[in-house]
Amino acid sequence: QKEVEQNSGPLSVPEGAIASLNCTYSDRGSQSFFWYRQYSGKSPELIMSIYSNGDKEDGRFTAQLNKASQYVSLLIRDSQPSDSATYLCAVNPSGTYKYIFGTGTRLKVLA
Amino acid sequence: EAGVAQSPRYKIIEKRQSVAFWCNPISGHATLYWYQQILGQGPKLLIQFQNNGVVDDSQLPKDRFSAERLKGVDSTLKIQPAKLEDSAVYLCASSKLGGGRSGELFFGEGSRLTVL
Repeated sequence: QKEVEQNSGPLSVPEGAIASLNCTYSDRGSQSFFWYRQYSGKSPELIMSIYSNGDKEDGRFTAQLNKASQYVSLLIRDSQPSDSATYLCAVNPSGTYKYIFGTGTRLKVLA
Repeated sequence: EAGVAQSPRYKIIEKRQSVAFWCNPISGHATLYWYQQILGQGPKLLIQFQNNGVVDDSQLPKDRFSAERLKGVDSTLKIQPAKLEDSAVYLCASSKLGGGRSGELFFGEGSRLTVL
C-alpha cells in the first residue's frame, strides 16, 4: 500500500464548476496535511495546509480532513482555466518532519 | 526574502558520467530536503537534513547517490555513475520547524537532469 494515494486523472471540469480532488494516506498517526499545486515545468507551491478534522477555507479553496477515514480532499470552487495544473497531496507521517507526496492529480478546467 | 536557490537548472550527461547539484535554502531554515521527481510522478524524498545531520536517507540509492550539508546551510547532491533511470527533476526544498506542527515546505526551481 502506498503511503499517499491519489487518482492521477486527468480530472476535467468545466469553467465555473467545483473541482473535487481526493487523497488517502496509510499512516493513521499523521498530523499534518498539505495540498500543493504544480504547473507544468514548475516547482510545487503550497495552496493549503490542514491539521484538524473538518473544513478549512481559503478563498476559492476548501481543504477537508477526516482522520478516522484517513482521507483529505481539496475543493476548488468557481474553477478557472488558470487552475489547470497537477495537485499534489503531501502528508507528514507521525513523529517525522518529512513530507510524503502522492503521485498528483492532473486537473483540466475547460473554458 | 530570497527563495531556495538551485543550480544548475539543466544538465545533460551520458550514462556512467557524474553530476552534482547545489542548493542554498532559505536563510534560517534548519531542514533541507532533496526530492527526485520523475515525469508524471510525485516528488520522492531522497534525503532529509536537519542542520548538518542526516535525518532520513532511507530512499537514497547509496551505491550511486551521495549528499552532504557540511555547514548546515547549503547542500550538494551527487550522482556517480549516472543511469538512464536517473533522468528526472531534482528538487531542493527547505522548511522552518516551529512548534508542534510542520511548517510550509518551500521548493527551489529544480535541476532537470537528462541522462543519455
